[in-house]
Amino acid sequence: RKEVEQDPGPFNVPEGATVAFNCTYSNSASQSFFWYRQDCRKEPKLLMSVYSSGNEDGRFTAQLNRASQYISLLIRDSKLSDSATYLCVVNSQGGGFKTIFGAGTRLFVKA
Amino acid sequence: GAVVSQHPSWVICKSGTSVKIECRSLDFQATTMFWYRQFPKQSLMLMATSNEGSKATYEQGVEKDKFLINHASLTLSTLTVTSAHPEDSSFYICSAREELAGLEQFFGPGTRLTVL
Repeated sequence: RKEVEQDPGPFNVPEGATVAFNCTYSNSASQSFFWYRQDCRKEPKLLMSVYSSGNEDGRFTAQLNRASQYISLLIRDSKLSDSATYLCVVNSQGGGFKTIFGAGTRLFVKA
Repeated sequence: GAVVSQHPSWVICKSGTSVKIECRSLDFQATTMFWYRQFPKQSLMLMATSNEGSKATYEQGVEKDKFLINHASLTLSTLTVTSAHPEDSSFYICSAREELAGLEQFFGPGTRLTVL
């Protein structure tokens, strides 16, 4: 089993749609969680951190469920510019700092 | 946010040559730098973690003698791909973290390496 698993993609949605991405992680000692966005042939850029209390930034909402070891990202009112690959990232610090990236979920938003 | 630069942004080289990639943190001191490799349509794979002034910690399956990492200062880390082969062609991305600033990593723009 992979340490971080994401929904298989791609997701093809029309503009204005709401889309949800899921991510699960296997290391219960993981300490911090992020969603990154990566455009084609570019470096990943931080989209938002994920907290147990939930985190909302405009059209984006991220949530963490530690008991289920599950992270989600909700995008409301999708825009064409949201088309990208969304990476779930998990950090743990047991035995040294370690960052694990999910394989990413590709999103295509169409007009 | 913090800025990380990489140089060169792309390089094409002949098989058997060595290529050096630089990663610099421009406006903060990076206590830890990370080197990733990303093949087409795949996620980032961590190659190694380097802390300033100490030897890099390599991930399983990454040859330390082939991928030489030097983190000589708090703002510069270099990755040298020695005796490059076509299978080393990939997108190499560095990231940097300032320990006191939390666990967020700031990524460089990446270096696309093509070995002929």
